[in-house]
Amino acid sequence: DQQVKQNSPSLSVQEGRISILNCDYTNSMFDYFLWYKKYPAEGPTFLISISSIKDKNEDGRFTVFLNKSAKHLSLHIVPSQPGDSAVYFCAATSSGNTPLVFGKGTRLSVIA
Amino acid sequence: NAGVMQNPRHLVRRRGQEARLRCSPMKGHSHVYWYRQLPEEGLKFMVYLQKENIIDESGMPKERFSAEFPKEGPSILRIQQVVRGDSAAYFCASSPLTLTEAFFGQGTRLTVV
Repeated sequence: DQQVKQNSPSLSVQEGRISILNCDYTNSMFDYFLWYKKYPAEGPTFLISISSIKDKNEDGRFTVFLNKSAKHLSLHIVPSQPGDSAVYFCAATSSGNTPLVFGKGTRLSVIA
Repeated sequence: NAGVMQNPRHLVRRRGQEARLRCSPMKGHSHVYWYRQLPEEGLKFMVYLQKENIIDESGMPKERFSAEFPKEGPSILRIQQVVRGDSAAYFCASSPLTLTEAFFGQGTRLTVV
């Protein structure tokens, strides 16, 4: 039973355009969500997070949107750069006190 | 401030041997989590530890796997009598309090031959 789902295994975007990565969750107890970026042979790197009391959080080129009623969140990267090419993982926790549950990841390729 | 340190980065073991994976959390972090990533899969939670205590081991196989986080020294994930299916990347994360600030190490890639 996958509690966090990233239904798109891969995504290709042209440099300068917007990348939109999607994530759905099923557990209504989740109230804190994180996005991690992972390069090959490296550990996941924290990117951005959002609490369920918000519906948007922005940090530079990265914005995360949360739609609680739909149990859906998305990560927007604009403008996309070749260095953004990596696997992006969505993760969720309940009040930060339960282990992070990860999706399977989406491989983003930004084409120059 | 050094990040989460894992060693070794790569570990090769023959079937039946033991594997020991080490994780030193970030300075000031007292919570450690171990995750496993199989090829083409996401990260699967294994175990959550605080100093000298196992808080949650619900994701860890009941047999052959154990974890500790002693008062002094790194956290250790131990896999006894390894099998080919144990081949994976094992990641450790640490946080000061809650998982809202979890940082990962670079992982240990275990290959069982």
